[in-house]
Amino acid sequence: GENVEQHPSTLSVQEGDSAVIKCTYSDSASNYFPWYKQELGKRPQLIIDIRSNVGEKKDQRIAVTLNKTAKHFSLHITETQPEDSAVYFCAASMKGGGNKLTFGTGTQLKVEL
Amino acid sequence: DSGVTQTPKHLITATGQRVTLRCSPRSGDLSVYWYQQSLDQGLQFLIQYYNGEERAKGNILERFSAQQFPDLHSELNLSSLELGDSALYFCASSVGGTGLAGGRATGELFFGEGSRLTVL
Repeated sequence: GENVEQHPSTLSVQEGDSAVIKCTYSDSASNYFPWYKQELGKRPQLIIDIRSNVGEKKDQRIAVTLNKTAKHFSLHITETQPEDSAVYFCAASMKGGGNKLTFGTGTQLKVEL
Repeated sequence: DSGVTQTPKHLITATGQRVTLRCSPRSGDLSVYWYQQSLDQGLQFLIQYYNGEERAKGNILERFSAQQFPDLHSELNLSSLELGDSALYFCASSVGGTGLAGGRATGELFFGEGSRLTVL
């Protein structure tokens, strides 16, 4: 089955700096790669996703890049703010619809003032 | 509000007992997924149902079982509970199937608020 590895497990940045979280996946058939943000005690919520026919996608301060050849994808957050502090999970699935997501182990991001 | 409803929100029980967690998916969603999140752990996939039928199985223990009913709500049954079963159990739903459905993008999972199970 699919295996998703995520690094780093914790990341501390100064407010205004950029943060980068990286993930690798094992199954070359995977073609849907979402990122979820989970605040303390809350449910995971989708913040951005990318499909395998696209190399990069941006949404305001958040961007995701995908390298299908290397089987890795990354989340980039620019101009970090304290409210960005949360656990971020990458995930992968096949077909992109009606299929389970395999999640990475999560990255605890702390944005310090 | 994701539209996914989970009950109960909190549950405290003793080892050896059995509990049932309930999930109502978003209106129109056919797929229901169950995930387990232990303290400081990631989201471990347990099982998926699509329109009443089991679609995929993950690391679900034999002591655990689930089903999806004709009205599409789902229940996760946990029996012979052990201390290590203490966790946050999330239900998620998606449109399911492949491709677009009524203009709604597939792939995204909508999570409920979770049921926090504490086994003493």
